[in-house]
Parts: sequence; C-alpha cells; structure tokens
Amino acid sequence: DIQMTQSPSTLSSSVGDRVTITCRASQSISSWLAWYQQKPGKAPKLLIYTASTLESGVPSRFSGSRSGTEFTLTISSLQPDDFATYYCQQYNSFPLTFGGGTKVEIK
Amino acid sequence: QVHLQESGPGLVKPSETLSLTCTVSGGSIRRYYWSWIRQPPGKGLEWIGSIYYSGTTNYSPSLKSRVTLSVDASKDQFSLRLRSVTAADTAVYYCARTGLTTPWLDPWGQGTLVTVSS
Repeated sequence: DIQMTQSPSTLSSSVGDRVTITCRASQSISSWLAWYQQKPGKAPKLLIYTASTLESGVPSRFSGSRSGTEFTLTISSLQPDDFATYYCQQYNSFPLTFGGGTKVEIK
Repeated sequence: QVHLQESGPGLVKPSETLSLTCTVSGGSIRRYYWSWIRQPPGKGLEWIGSIYYSGTTNYSPSLKSRVTLSVDASKDQFSLRLRSVTAADTAVYYCARTGLTTPWLDPWGQGTLVTVSS
C-alpha cells in the first residue's frame, strides 16, 4: 500500500497568511494526487487533481505542486472561508489512500 | 449534474451487517468506478472499496474479509455490505464517483452516520 504522510496535522493562521500543506507519498505516484477540503459536517470537496490542476470553481488562491514524491497545497492568502480540514489522496493505485489531514485553524 | 445520495439504517447492532445504498441521479452509473469511504467521528478518511459499473471490485486490505460491494446498473445504485460490525465501524459513510479518465473522487454524497451499538 502507498502511505501518504501529511503535515502539519494542525496549522494556526490568520486571514491573509500564506499557508502551505505538505503530503509525501511512500513511493512514486507520478502526479496522481488530489486535494480535498472538508468543513465540519460536510463531505469533502475536490480542490485540485493531478497534483496541480484546479477544479472548476475553486478560487485561484489555491494551488498545488509536486516535487518527486512530495506534494504541496498552497493557499496564497487565507480567507475566512478557508478554515477547514484538508486531505491529500493518491489514486495511482488501489488501495486508494488518504493523508491524515491538516486542520487549518484561526490564529 | 451528478448527485449521490446514501441511504440505510443509522443504527446497527454489534456482530450484525451494515448495509448501505448509494443512488446516483443526474447521470449514468455506467463507465465509472463507484467508491465507499468512511470517516470515524473526529478522525480522517478511510477508503473502503470501489466497484466498476460492470461489477469489478477493489477492496481495502484491512476490510476485505468483511466487505462486499455490488452494483445495480438498472437502478443506478451501488451498495455496501460490511459484516460482523463492531463499535470501531461507527463512522460517517460516504459514496463517491471515480472516472476512468477522471480517477479522483468527485462528486461525493453528503454522507450518512452509522452507529454500531446495542
């Protein structure tokens, strides 16, 4: 199984801050990685797929990148609506696996 | 726009079988994979398994011995059965779509909480 190690688990930031979340795969997954945003009581929402492609309707302050087996989700200027939990997920192969999640909290 | 809706009992007794159905509307179930994911209260996401509309399945190794996925293409529905449940299976259960050319999970159902308790 491919393990996805996500960090940090919690992040305290202020509106306007630049936020970076990292996800590391235990082996090569090419760019087969997605990022999701989840708010309390809601289903996860797709933000980014294929490591860096923004889903339609997602604000451009969100971006994704890849360096080898390390993937990054960046929010360029944190907005009030962005306080949520973020998950990475690899879909290179079954079993599908998720990172442990990063909760972005208000500082 | 495709919409997914989970349905099934919200309370299951220990040792019994959890059964959920996901109904797909606004699009066809054909030529897609359909997945189940769960989330224990306050915890992260866990993939349970995926089924292609033709019936081909992939399961989580940790749940494989207890899980069966099935699909009824005529009703645009797919189902999850999880046997011999314990309190550790208490979670919100989500269904989601995965495409052959769009292999990420999107869209998702709203989720349904299943509690295992006597």
